[in-house]
Amino acid sequence: DAGVIQSPRHEVTEMGQEVTLRCKPISGHDYLFWYRQTMMRGLELLIYFNNNVPIDDSGMPEDRFSAKMPNASFSTLKIQPSEPRDSAVYFCASGDSRPPLVNGYTFGSGTRLTVV
Amino acid sequence: AQTVTQSQPEMSVQEAETVTLSCTYDTSESDYYLFWYKQPPSRQMILVIRQEAYKQQNATENRFSVNFQKAAKSFSLKISDSQLGDAAMYFCAYRSGGETSGSRLTFGEGTQLTVNP
Repeated sequence: DAGVIQSPRHEVTEMGQEVTLRCKPISGHDYLFWYRQTMMRGLELLIYFNNNVPIDDSGMPEDRFSAKMPNASFSTLKIQPSEPRDSAVYFCASGDSRPPLVNGYTFGSGTRLTVV
Repeated sequence: AQTVTQSQPEMSVQEAETVTLSCTYDTSESDYYLFWYKQPPSRQMILVIRQEAYKQQNATENRFSVNFQKAAKSFSLKISDSQLGDAAMYFCAYRSGGETSGSRLTFGEGTQLTVNP
């Protein structure tokens, strides 16, 4: 398995533009998570899905952020309009709810977003 | 809500020596799992070791071992025979074993480990 695949690896955009981050989870995993990592706030959970259904989006900073999972093999995180404070590394992770639950989640390589 | 605390922002160790990274957590649950992740400069999050709360035996993975003290809610990571490749940010993480929690991972703030040759 190729693991969790995120694209793009780097994204530089101008303030006000729309940004779309993409994630392909590991086949067979039924959980998908979006995390954001910054120096100031560390790793924050933004939203997660179970069987393609959003379960908890309480970590999404504001209405400018939205996430979708149209099928089991694809998810997007969209920021519209983007702002400089959105600059961060965004991680996608997937996991399996079947036992043994002790298995941790597998993370993608992350997307480094810079909004100028 | 569960919280995870790593009180050591930075640690350093000499190559071939042993180092221990600290982690404490707060929870009212009895069923949960704990993890240590490693994040090298490549920024990839790599699972290092895992522990089930119901197991008394401390987990071990080659040079990595944990000291799990459930009553004290402590979960430290010991790295033996440190190698240059161990230099990274280390994150402690908590996952609930209950169905109502949604299985999210809650992370600590991280400890930056430097390995000196």
